[in-house]
Amino acid sequence: DARVTQTPRHKVTEMGQEVTMRCQPILGHNTVFWYRQTMMQGLELLAYFRNRAPLDDSGMPKDRFSAEMPDATLATLKIQPSEPRDSAVYFCASGSDQQRPQHFGDGTRLSIL
Amino acid sequence: GESVGLHLPTLSVQEGDNSIINCAYSNSASDYFIWYKQESGKGPQFIIDIRSNMDKRQGQRVTVLLNKTVKHLSLQIAATQPGDSAVYFCAENPRGSNYKLTFGKGTLLTVNP
Repeated sequence: DARVTQTPRHKVTEMGQEVTMRCQPILGHNTVFWYRQTMMQGLELLAYFRNRAPLDDSGMPKDRFSAEMPDATLATLKIQPSEPRDSAVYFCASGSDQQRPQHFGDGTRLSIL
Repeated sequence: GESVGLHLPTLSVQEGDNSIINCAYSNSASDYFIWYKQESGKGPQFIIDIRSNMDKRQGQRVTVLLNKTVKHLSLQIAATQPGDSAVYFCAENPRGSNYKLTFGKGTLLTVNP
């Protein structure tokens, strides 16, 4: 089965450090989504792309977060500088115009000390 | 504001019984709904979806019912198995929202052997 691949699976770092999370969407999918999951807030949409162009990043703190798609096979989410409140599981999902369900990766579990 | 919510945060059933997980939505503009299953340490896994022009859709051991009159969505799992134990999320996609999904808080299903 085709899957969304996220790296790293786990990341522990100190506050102030830069964090980069990567996502390889399913081949052929043209929409990519970044979500954050916490116990308190549940699943929150941070940003998403269609055909590598950003459509909406209103859910993302602009001062420290950035999302990009250098090419169709790679999406990145960066946090700089990181803060303890950024600790969460970050999920990437991909989909296509023809198939509406989004398919999720297994996430990056981020801990900022 | 508009939101997707769940009636029951936890559900415990006996193996072999049927399970029903409920979801209320408030955005009457939503035209697409999805159920996801999330196991510990993994990303949400697509189970089944339904468009607003339908009121029922069946998959393998699962059925989704949509009642647009009362804005209610349910997931029925037949002959529940221990492997069905997970958190189940409903999500809605408002018409014109460019693929954005709004997720409910989730229901924890526990299957007792």
